[in-house]
This record gives sequence, structure tokens and C-alpha cells, in this order.
Amino acid sequence: GQQVMQIPQYQHVQEGEDFTTYCNSSTTLSNIQWYKQRPGGHPVFLIQLVKSGEVKKQKRLTFQFGEAKKNSSLHITATQTTDVGTYFCAGPWDQAGTALIFGKGTTLSVSS
Amino acid sequence: DTEVTQTPKHLVMGMTNKKSLKCEQHMGHRAMYWYKQKAKKPPELMFVYSYEKLSINESVPSRFSPECPNSSLLNLHLHALQPEDSALYLCASSPRIASQETQYFGPGTRLLVL
Repeated sequence: GQQVMQIPQYQHVQEGEDFTTYCNSSTTLSNIQWYKQRPGGHPVFLIQLVKSGEVKKQKRLTFQFGEAKKNSSLHITATQTTDVGTYFCAGPWDQAGTALIFGKGTTLSVSS
Repeated sequence: DTEVTQTPKHLVMGMTNKKSLKCEQHMGHRAMYWYKQKAKKPPELMFVYSYEKLSINESVPSRFSPECPNSSLLNLHLHALQPEDSALYLCASSPRIASQETQYFGPGTRLLVL
């Protein structure tokens, strides 16, 4: 099956610092999604990237999809304590794209 | 209504018990999913239903038995579970079965098997 690798596993930052998590695959992805899971919560959809080289922004969050559609990143500018949680990328589970397979996630902690 | 509901929120069961987890959505979605999530791990796909038919069974032990009685409901029947089955069980739905569809997750059922 497909695999999606994600690094780093953990990241601690001071409030106001930037944060980036990276996701990559050995195969071309038709699309990639990003989810956020707060401590004690459930995954919540953030965004989907479909096009090669696509960049999307949501306030302080910037999402990129690589030109080869094999990697993606999520960058948070000037982190806040509300950004705490685990960020997962998710790609197609199989060639038919019937479901999603999640990366291992990056857990972000922010100290004020 | 963009909500997926799950009951119960918490469940403690012995290894000889039989219990069921329930999931409901009223968004008209035709794909529904069960995931298992252990602490500090990503959600792992268990089952996928498409138009009330089982589409994917990701090699899940038979002590987990899914059921989709109609397009809004998804159940997971549990029997003779093991302590290592303790986890957060997440239900999700999407408009249809495709990786390009957004998945909407329920709050999950935290299961403890003693």
C-alpha cells in the first residue's frame, strides 16, 4: 500500500516562533490533505492540495504541494498557544484512492 | 449539519463482553469509515463502507464486526476483545468513497478493555 512519511515527530516552540512540518511519499500523490487533532480531540480537516506546486494560505498557515506531487509542507507563522496539537498529512490509501492513509503526525507544543 | 456523532464517548468492557459502538451522520454522505487510534499514533483504517456495502476490510480481526444498517448509521460490534484493543475508535464520513473527499470525523469512543 501507499506510505506517507512525516517529520518531525515532535516540535516545541516559543510562542511567536515559526513552525514547519513536512510530509513526503515515494510515489506521486493525486492529492494530499492536512488535518489537525487537538489534545483529547479528533482530527479536523484543514485543507486539501491537488495541483502540482500548489500553495494555499489560511491566515498564519501556509500549505504547499511539491512540483512532483511527492511532498508537502505546512508552515505556521508566529505560533500561538491555540496552535497546539498534532498535525497529520494524509494521502490516498491505494492507487484507486478509496480512502486515506495518514502520516505519523507532528505534535506541536507552544510555550508562552 | 456537518456533524458526525458517536456513542458512547467512553466504554470499559471485559474480555468476555459484547458491546457495540454507534456512529451517525445526517450530511447525506455515502461513505463511512472506522479508524482505530492508539495514543500518539495516527488513525489506522479499519473498515470502509460505500453505499452501505463493505468496501475495505483492512485485515481486521473477526472480533470486530462492522454493520451499516442504512446510509446514516454505522455500527461496530465488539466481542471477545483483548486489552491491546484499547484505543480511540473514530468514525468518519465523506460524500463518497474517494481520497479527494474531505473526511468528517466524529469525537470518537475511548475504549478500555480489561
